[in-house]
Amino acid sequence: DVKLVESGGALIQPGGSLRLSCEVSGFIINFNYMSWVRQAPGKGLEWVSVTYTAGNTYYTDSLKDRFTVSRDNSKNTLYLQMNSLRAEDTAVYFCARVNSDRSDLEGVFDHWGQGTLVTVSS
Amino acid sequence: DIQMTQSPSTLSASVGDRVTIPCRASQSISRWLAWYQQQPGKAPKLLIFRTSSLESGVPSRFSGSGSGTEFALTISGLQPADSATYFCQQYKSFPWTFGQGTKVEVK
Repeated sequence: DVKLVESGGALIQPGGSLRLSCEVSGFIINFNYMSWVRQAPGKGLEWVSVTYTAGNTYYTDSLKDRFTVSRDNSKNTLYLQMNSLRAEDTAVYFCARVNSDRSDLEGVFDHWGQGTLVTVSS
Repeated sequence: DIQMTQSPSTLSASVGDRVTIPCRASQSISRWLAWYQQQPGKAPKLLIFRTSSLESGVPSRFSGSGSGTEFALTISGLQPADSATYFCQQYKSFPWTFGQGTKVEVK
């Protein structure tokens, strides 16, 4: 069974830092493309990043200077390091697998975690 | 960036109705479009990819159509379990972008 479990969400003051984790079971993350997607309260979905099997990561432009993705292959866990947090970063953060079985699926999120809530407020 | 527009934001229909949810891209995305269903408090669930290909396990009452800039998700025979918010997403180019969602209410 495929399972993605995010953790690390918290209430944090503006300017602070936070690291989210996404522990995966059912597939090996370094053989798959992995993404972070966020959703502000009551709003739509916003793609944050994608990490390819080679380890290279692409970010949405507005976040690339503050957010960094890493992974620990031995723990099959993906991380999102978030720095200089702002009120507008308040959201539920989901990790998701990006299907790479075929070229027409690259960019499609086929497995999702339940999300972890980050609240940036003083 | 490619903007995805979904309107209306809310749609109300009765059990058994045929419901069509539109999605428009700000420029041509060919057929690189996916649809997701999100129940309140839950993660999104993939329904359709490549505009019209049904994800495994998704009921056949869901179907997708379109190309270029105009797309639609159709639910044929609306069920109470279909009460949810539906998002379209383009994956033709970075940044991958989503529509703002259409909430379907089942009367």
